Amino acid sequence: AQSVTQPDIHITVSEGASLELRCNYSYGATPYLFWYVQSPGQGLQLLLKYFSGDTLVQGIKGFEADFKRSQSSFNLRKPSVHWSDAAEYFCAVAGSNYQLIWGAGTKLIIKP
Amino acid sequence: DAGVIQSPRHEVTEMGQEVTLRCKPISGHNSLFWYRQTMMRGLELLIYFNNNVPIDDSGMPEDRFSAKMPNASFSTLKIQPSEPRDSAVYFCASKETGNQPQHFGDGTRLSIL
Repeated sequence: AQSVTQPDIHITVSEGASLELRCNYSYGATPYLFWYVQSPGQGLQLLLKYFSGDTLVQGIKGFEADFKRSQSSFNLRKPSVHWSDAAEYFCAVAGSNYQLIWGAGTKLIIKP
Repeated sequence: DAGVIQSPRHEVTEMGQEVTLRCKPISGHNSLFWYRQTMMRGLELLIYFNNNVPIDDSGMPEDRFSAKMPNASFSTLKIQPSEPRDSAVYFCASKETGNQPQHFGDGTRLSIL
């Protein structure tokens, strides 16, 4: 069955520190992968996507993600977080009928 | 370019009332999705349209919920009668053909008293 797992419900990081949010997927074919961010009171905004090609994908707001087929992972990274990055982050994989299969989300808390 | 536009942003009503949520997808997008988000259940897909035709409504909780897409630029999600457990944030999203990303509206925060 197709699924997405984000093992961390909450992550706390100090401002200026590096960040890695984990995402593991289960999908039989070549996955189309996405990371979205949701700030409080807002809709979900696309950060980046992986369709094919270079496994290190650059996104908006200084985020990047690394696709590792052998580990079925698509982890999101940022070298130095800012207080404005506090939000909830969702990983998703496109299913066979173009719908998205969503992870449960990881809430990022930034310590001053 | 205008993004996905949802209205109203907030709705507070008493149980038993009819509620209609509206969505205008991005021009040129041919797929539209309605989601519900709650703390307990997270993000749930309610229904998915492709070229104005409902493709998968298996996520619609019960017959009180209905959705329509009369044309490519407008969709509604209706709850009749509404119940307190319907309180949630409802999102509309649209996308282009194929494995393209979905673009979300800002949502409607619905409170049923």
